[in-house]
This record gives sequence, structure tokens and C-alpha cells, in this order.
Amino acid sequence: KQEVTQIPAALSVPEGENLVLNCSFTDSAIYNLQWFRQDPGKGLTSLLLIQSSQREQTSGRLNASLDKSSGRSTLYIAASQPGDSATYLCAVAPSGYSTLTFGKGTMLLVSP
Amino acid sequence: DAGVIQSPRHEVTEMGQEVTLRCKPISGHNSLFWYRQTMMRGLELLIYFNNNVPIDDSGMPEDRFSAKMPNASFSTLKIQPSEPRDSAVYFCASRLRGLAGGLSTDTQYFGPGTRLTVL
Repeated sequence: KQEVTQIPAALSVPEGENLVLNCSFTDSAIYNLQWFRQDPGKGLTSLLLIQSSQREQTSGRLNASLDKSSGRSTLYIAASQPGDSATYLCAVAPSGYSTLTFGKGTMLLVSP
Repeated sequence: DAGVIQSPRHEVTEMGQEVTLRCKPISGHNSLFWYRQTMMRGLELLIYFNNNVPIDDSGMPEDRFSAKMPNASFSTLKIQPSEPRDSAVYFCASRLRGLAGGLSTDTQYFGPGTRLTVL
């Protein structure tokens, strides 16, 4: 059974810092990996999707990498802003893609 | 598009009552997912439909939970009878499974959720 772990569970940084969120998964036979953002009291918003054949994806200040063999992904946020404060969730889809298995998320607070 | 629509946004009920949660997926999407989120267990898949047909309901906790998708634009999740341990935020998500312009369209789009409290 696929298990997804995110470290750290919470992170507090001052505005402007570059930061890295980590995600690890136990079964490397994945179809894709996705990073989501969740604001308090809201649903999830997809940020980046990396197919199993890809190594990384970039969107603005966000860069996500994938190392299938080691079962790891990182989400890099450059020049963090208070508006980046949210919970970030990693999710993996198994081969043949049916459903997603989510980590419990990293709660990020960026202070002005 | 208005995105995935869920109703109600908040529901407070007493133990033993029937609860019905509703979801309208994004028009044209062919997959629909029901999730439950708690602090202890995180986000868990309950059931998902493909082309209105239930494909995997292994995450449904017990027989008190049932889900239907009578057509492509509507789904319900029913809990009868409800219990305090069912208190959680329930999310609906939809997806267009397939290819668009040669690119895989696997992204799930989530609704705002229904916060259920069972007293």
C-alpha cells in the first residue's frame, strides 16, 4: 500500500526566503505526482503535476522535482511571500492511474 | 466555469440523523471523487466514479455511507445514520480523464468542501 510522508509538518519563515518542502513515497511505481495548495477553509488547488517520465516542473516561483527511484519529490518556493502561507499537499497516483494517495501536508507560514 | 460546486458548505446535525452532501462537477468532466479530510487521518478517498459508474468504493468506511451519481452533472454522498466520528470536511473533486491537445489531463479540481459536524 502506497504511503506518502511530508516533512516538515509545519514551517515558519520570514518573507523573502527560499524554501524547500519534502515529500516521500514508499512505492516508486507511480503514474504521476501532484502538488496542491490548501488555504484555510478552502478546497485544494493544483499547483504542479509531474508525470513519471519527467524530472521537474516549474510554474512561476514554484519548482517541483521528482526522483522516482528514491521515492522523493521536493517543492521549491523562491522568494517566499506572505500570500504563500497555506498548507501544501503532495499526492501520488499509482501506475494505471486511478486515484491519488495524499500526504498530510506541510503547513507554511510566511511572515512579513 | 464556476468550478466544482458543493452544498451545503456547513452542516450540523445530531447523531442518528441522515445527512446528504451534494456535488456538481465541472461540466464536461468524466471522473468524480469524494474525499474526507480529518486532522488525524488527512485526506482520504471514499469513492470515485468514471462516466457516472462507481469504480472504487473501497474507501467507504461502512454501510452507513452510500454515494450515487445519477447523471454527469450531479452526485450525492449520504450518511445514514450519522455518528460523531463522521465529523470531518468532505470534498468532491472532478477530472477530465483523457488527452487534450496531446497532453494528459489528470489534474483533479476540488470543490470548497462541506464541513460536517455530528453532535
